[in-house]
Amino acid sequence: GAGVSQSPSNKVTEKGKDVELRCDPISGHTALYWYRQSLGQGLEFLIYFQGNSAPDKSGLPSDRFSAERTGGSVSTLTIQRTQQEDSAVYLCASSLVPQRETQYFGPGTRLLVL
Amino acid sequence: GENVEQHPSTLSVQEGDSAVIKCTYSDSASNYFPWYKQELGKGPQLIIDIRSNVGEKKDQRIAVTLNKTAKHFSLHITETQPEDSAVYFCAAKPEGAGSYQLTFGKGTKLSVIP
Repeated sequence: GAGVSQSPSNKVTEKGKDVELRCDPISGHTALYWYRQSLGQGLEFLIYFQGNSAPDKSGLPSDRFSAERTGGSVSTLTIQRTQQEDSAVYLCASSLVPQRETQYFGPGTRLLVL
Repeated sequence: GENVEQHPSTLSVQEGDSAVIKCTYSDSASNYFPWYKQELGKGPQLIIDIRSNVGEKKDQRIAVTLNKTAKHFSLHITETQPEDSAVYFCAAKPEGAGSYQLTFGKGTKLSVIP
């Protein structure tokens, strides 16, 4: 079946511009996660959505980062006024329910801020 | 919060030899330990996981062992093949209905030399 999809696969932007990254989770998965992976580093948790509950935004690094999830499915991660240190791979994952721990990852969006 | 340390950061083995990657965690409440494989340009894929009520789990050439007393767990790959070359991440998650956040190690780049 279809896995987690993300778009765009690559994004190059200029410092100061806003970017939007999209995630389509596996159909029926209620939990959705965003992570950031900097070069040579592990995965840094950013934000978590579960159904209609308020999201856990505790991992967002600054108020320039925001995310929403519409209709309990597609999610968009927005970075405003991008900085060079925002350059990274942004990964989205989903799981059937949060108590089912297996998270399935998308291929990621590679963001480069010039 | 949870802290996961992973060693080594890089590992080179000859094809056919075994590879072992070790992780330690800090939160004694953690009870779920997945391993992910990330190939170049792709998102992480779950390859095996273990829960704290099990000491060892095996799936063909891959095995994971868990020592809860010492708070460490290891990934063992036997009869390595070139296609095993990738970055491997360990992770840990505490128990509890509200616990959903995986904490990842920084990854091990495995190179299998033909």
